[in-house]
Amino acid sequence: NAGVTQTPKFQVLKTGQSMTLQCAQDMNHEYMSWYRQDPGMGLRLIHYSVGAGITDQGEVPNGYNVSRSTTEDFPLRLLSAAPSQTSVYFCASSPDRTEAFFGQGTRLTVV
Amino acid sequence: AQRVTQPEKLLSVFKGAPVELKCNYSYSGSPELFWYVQYSRQRLQLLLRHISRESIKGFTADLNKGETSFHLKKPFAQEEDSAMYYCALFRSGGYNKLIFGAGTRLAVHP
Repeated sequence: NAGVTQTPKFQVLKTGQSMTLQCAQDMNHEYMSWYRQDPGMGLRLIHYSVGAGITDQGEVPNGYNVSRSTTEDFPLRLLSAAPSQTSVYFCASSPDRTEAFFGQGTRLTVV
Repeated sequence: AQRVTQPEKLLSVFKGAPVELKCNYSYSGSPELFWYVQYSRQRLQLLLRHISRESIKGFTADLNKGETSFHLKKPFAQEEDSAMYYCALFRSGGYNKLIFGAGTRLAVHP
């Protein structure tokens, strides 16, 4: 049982480039979310989804897009990368309000 | 606004000493609170939740609604407890969201 899988683990982008961070879960969870982790700021919610076809914005959505075409996948798209988006990104899934399961994270550097 | 505050960025103790990681929250409804832990090179994982009133790896946390706190405690710290600890609040209503504090790094020295 793989749980939550994120790819890639590391990525370096140039300012202005776009890319997609992949997230897949095999637990049939309805809830999925993306967080960014920055020193001294904890985890901040970027976007989340409560089921296929339903997404909404979190605390820091600017510069990011998401879609949820299937229960399993929840990709995060950076439209035009900026140095301020240098961070560690975590995807999480949850069956309900009791526990969130996290991926291993993607360390993104924008130069 | 809903908020989780962890006032300490770093807590440094010696092995065998008691540990208390502080967490305060602001929430207008009935809160659901959690502690998550991230060990070095591992993914973030749930440590405990207040509704379970359980003890995990010797850690306990009691919800104090009067003081709006959910401090994490352990009577005798072990070196393997060294990790990043996050307090989190589940915000219900509309779309459910998990809100995290800034985290406290616990360093347990031999």
